[in-house]
Amino acid sequence: DAMVIQNPRYQVTQFGKPVTLSCSQTLNHNVMYWYQQKSSQAPKLLFHYYDKDFNNEADTPDNFQSRRPNTSFCFLDIRSPGLGDAAMYLCATSRDGLTANVLTFGAGSRLTVL
Amino acid sequence: KQEVTQIPAALSVPEGENLVLNCSFTDSAIYNLQWFRQDPGKGLTSLLLIQSSQREQTSGRLNASLDKSSGRSTLYIAASQPGDSATYLCAVRRSYGQNFVFGPGTRLSVLP
Repeated sequence: DAMVIQNPRYQVTQFGKPVTLSCSQTLNHNVMYWYQQKSSQAPKLLFHYYDKDFNNEADTPDNFQSRRPNTSFCFLDIRSPGLGDAAMYLCATSRDGLTANVLTFGAGSRLTVL
Repeated sequence: KQEVTQIPAALSVPEGENLVLNCSFTDSAIYNLQWFRQDPGKGLTSLLLIQSSQREQTSGRLNASLDKSSGRSTLYIAASQPGDSATYLCAVRRSYGQNFVFGPGTRLSVLP
C-alpha cells in the first residue's frame, strides 16, 4: 500500500545533541509537511515543501531545519534539542492540484530529550 | 490568522449513543476541511474531507457537515462503539497556500 513512513518511531536524545528524523512516501505527493504535536495540543506546522520550494512558518525556531533531497524523502533536523522540543513529530503529504486534497500522515516520531 | 477550536475538549458516552463533535474556524476563506482520528501515541488517520463547495460527506457511521459562512463543521457518529474511542481533530486548509490549521481535538471515550 502507498503510505507515509517515519523513522525512527521513538528517538531519545540528550540535551543539545543533534537529531534527524526521516519521512518517506510512496504516494508521489508534491507537498510534504512537518508538524510538531505536544501532549493534548493541536499539531503545529513547522514548515512544508511544495516540490523543492521550502516554506518556513514565521514562528518556527531556527533550531529546526529541513531537507528534501527528492520527491520521496524529507528530513527534519533539530540542531540542538532542548527539553521543550520533546514532542511527537508528524510528517504528512498532500497532492496539490487535485480536488480531493487529502492530507495523509505517517505514524509519527516521538522525541524524548534527556 | 485562521484559528480553529473544538468543543467539547473531552466527551464520554455509553456505547450505542449517537454523538456530535464540533469544529469552529474564524476565517471562512477555506479550500476544504478534513476530520481526523488519532489514537494515543499514534499518527492521524483521515476520516472525511469536505470541499468548500460541499455541505456534507458520509462514510459508514460518520457524517460530516460544513457551514462555511458560519465557520462551523460537525462530525456526527452514529451508534458509537468502544472502538471509536480516540481523539478527533479537524483541520482547515486555507483558500491560498498549502497550510492546514488544526484544532486541538475532542477526546472521545465510548464506554462499554
